[in-house]
Amino acid sequence: NAGVTQTPKFRVLKTGQSMTLLCAQDMNHEYMYWYRQDPGMGLRLIHYSVGEGTTAKGEVPDGYNVSRLKKQNFLLGLESAAPSQTSVYFCASSYSNRGRNEQFFGPGTRLTVL
Amino acid sequence: AQKVTQAQTEISVVEKEDVTLDCVYETRDTTYYLFWYKQPPSGELVFLIRRNSFDEQNEISGRYSWNFQKSTSSFNFTITASQVVDSAVYFCALSAYSGGYQKVTFGTGTKLQVIP
Repeated sequence: NAGVTQTPKFRVLKTGQSMTLLCAQDMNHEYMYWYRQDPGMGLRLIHYSVGEGTTAKGEVPDGYNVSRLKKQNFLLGLESAAPSQTSVYFCASSYSNRGRNEQFFGPGTRLTVL
Repeated sequence: AQKVTQAQTEISVVEKEDVTLDCVYETRDTTYYLFWYKQPPSGELVFLIRRNSFDEQNEISGRYSWNFQKSTSSFNFTITASQVVDSAVYFCALSAYSGGYQKVTFGTGTKLQVIP
């Protein structure tokens, strides 16, 4: 039981390049989330998904796209990376979205955009 | 709107001291949940505790204890006899089911350094 895994762990991009971050969970959770963590700002929600094939915008969605083609996977895409997207990205999943369930987090992806 | 404030940015204590991490929240929801997560240097956030808005009973788990007070909108976390392994960033979070989805708001975190 691996929980939530993220690929890659580290990445350096040049401005304008694109990339996809992969999140996978093996807990059969319906709900998945992408956050970014920046110094002094806590975690901010980028996009989330309430089930296979459905996604929605979070607090800071601009510059990102997501897809949830399979229940266990949640992809975060950067079409044209900008230095402002330098951050640590966390994926999380939860059993339900009724508010009471804790989220399970992946180990994070540290992205640097030059 | 939801808001979580962790006013303590960084705290340093000497091993075996007790330390309290403060968390103050704001919400208009009557049903909500409060969480504490720990982020050790390895980076992955780990769930510590959940408390719902109707349960103000304090909880103790080993060296950890939590004090939830609705009257002051606070959910404070105390570590007794701190250890070096407690060094981490601790996040308080508020969760409510609103508008069809789980809205989770995290505080900015408190970095705890336990000095041996």
